[in-house]
Amino acid sequence: AQSVAQPEDQVKVAEGNPLTVKCTYSVSGNPYLFWYVQYPNRGLQFLLKYITGDNLVKGSYGFEAEFNKSQTSFHLKKPSALVSDSALYFCAVSPTDSWGKFQFGAGTQVVVTP
Amino acid sequence: GAVVSQHPSRVICKSGTSVKIECRSLDFQATTMFWYRQFPKQSLMLMATSNEGSKATYEQGVEKDKFLINHASLTLSTLTVTSAHPEDSSFYICSAEQVRSYNEQFFGPGTRLTVL
Repeated sequence: AQSVAQPEDQVKVAEGNPLTVKCTYSVSGNPYLFWYVQYPNRGLQFLLKYITGDNLVKGSYGFEAEFNKSQTSFHLKKPSALVSDSALYFCAVSPTDSWGKFQFGAGTQVVVTP
Repeated sequence: GAVVSQHPSRVICKSGTSVKIECRSLDFQATTMFWYRQFPKQSLMLMATSNEGSKATYEQGVEKDKFLINHASLTLSTLTVTSAHPEDSSFYICSAEQVRSYNEQFFGPGTRLTVL
């Protein structure tokens, strides 16, 4: 069965500290990987994606993610978190044999304290 | 950038009535649109895939007679919740797939449906 796991319901960091949001997946083939952010009562905003190539992907708002094929992980990182980064973050996977059908992780609530 | 809009953003209706939600791709053509449902503090669950000019494909467990989807043009898909009940109250989000964008989906802002 295919699955996407975000093991932490919540991640809390102080402003200025590094932020990591974890994501692992179990999907056949070489899926496309995405990170989205959601603010309250809003739709999802695209942060970054991995298709192929360099394992380190840089995205919007200073976020980056590292693809690790052996560990089937795609952790989201930001070197220095801002209070405004507080939001709900979703990891998503698009299997290559199921075009466009995203499977989302459960989401991780990020709280950045002043 | 690619923009997807949804209308209305918020709707409150009485039990038994039908509600239509529109999803539009504003500056690109989307042959495929997706409808998701999100319960409070939970992830998005794919309900159906909407293809322009053809019948929608529903995920297992989603009632196609309950959630009617029409994809009449390359920029518009509609979701109609028929005979709505309080358990249909949820946040409905659509997304549109831009052609040749490696399955990148652009999400609408969502529609909050409350059924009294």
